[in-house]
Amino acid sequence: DTEVTQTPKHLVMGMTNKKSLKCEQHMGHRAMYWYKQKAKKPPELMFVYSYEKLSINESVPSRFSPECPNSSLLNLHLHALQPEDSALYLCASSPGGIGAYNEQFFGPGTRLTVL
Amino acid sequence: DAKTTQPNSMESNEEEPVHLPCNHSTISGTDYIHWYRQLPSQGPEYVIHGLTSNVNNRMASLAIAEDRKSSTLILHRATLRDAAVYYCILRPNTDKLIFGTGTRLQVFP
Repeated sequence: DTEVTQTPKHLVMGMTNKKSLKCEQHMGHRAMYWYKQKAKKPPELMFVYSYEKLSINESVPSRFSPECPNSSLLNLHLHALQPEDSALYLCASSPGGIGAYNEQFFGPGTRLTVL
Repeated sequence: DAKTTQPNSMESNEEEPVHLPCNHSTISGTDYIHWYRQLPSQGPEYVIHGLTSNVNNRMASLAIAEDRKSSTLILHRATLRDAAVYYCILRPNTDKLIFGTGTRLQVFP
């Protein structure tokens, strides 16, 4: 299985809602990532988990809360979002450990709309 | 983080070779050069990476200048399925992958 899966594919939420995005991989990868991509822009790194511990937080607002319950699963909890947070949220994984040679495998993304 | 410069867009005809350039004059000695592409409505996909020597794989070739200040991704025979945004990324020895603005490649039949 060489896939990264993300659920849901689409999500519409109000500014007072709490929702979660889910990402799963069964490749035995030990690094997992969240990216945000606005329309016609490149992906922007948000968080990196390495061996289930948060290793990088790119100064993301606290209304985004990542969680890595186990080595296969990555969640992004959303609360009190703003309309400008509407974007495609991409999850990725890589074999793990720090390594500039490690390729990242991306999921198809969750398209989030905040009303 | 070192920066890359790519043309905004390029065009090619099907079955012709495509050379996608990338300038990275501030590259450091430990930065790897990675290429990813993003097809419409999909997540990015790894294409190839290298450090100093030219690299080939089933998808493409990567030609790296001797001074490492530029590189070129070569698609040997473009197909319609190669239409995508191609990102050239400098990656230090960390988990960070910082995307630049990329080149949008259009392929015509």
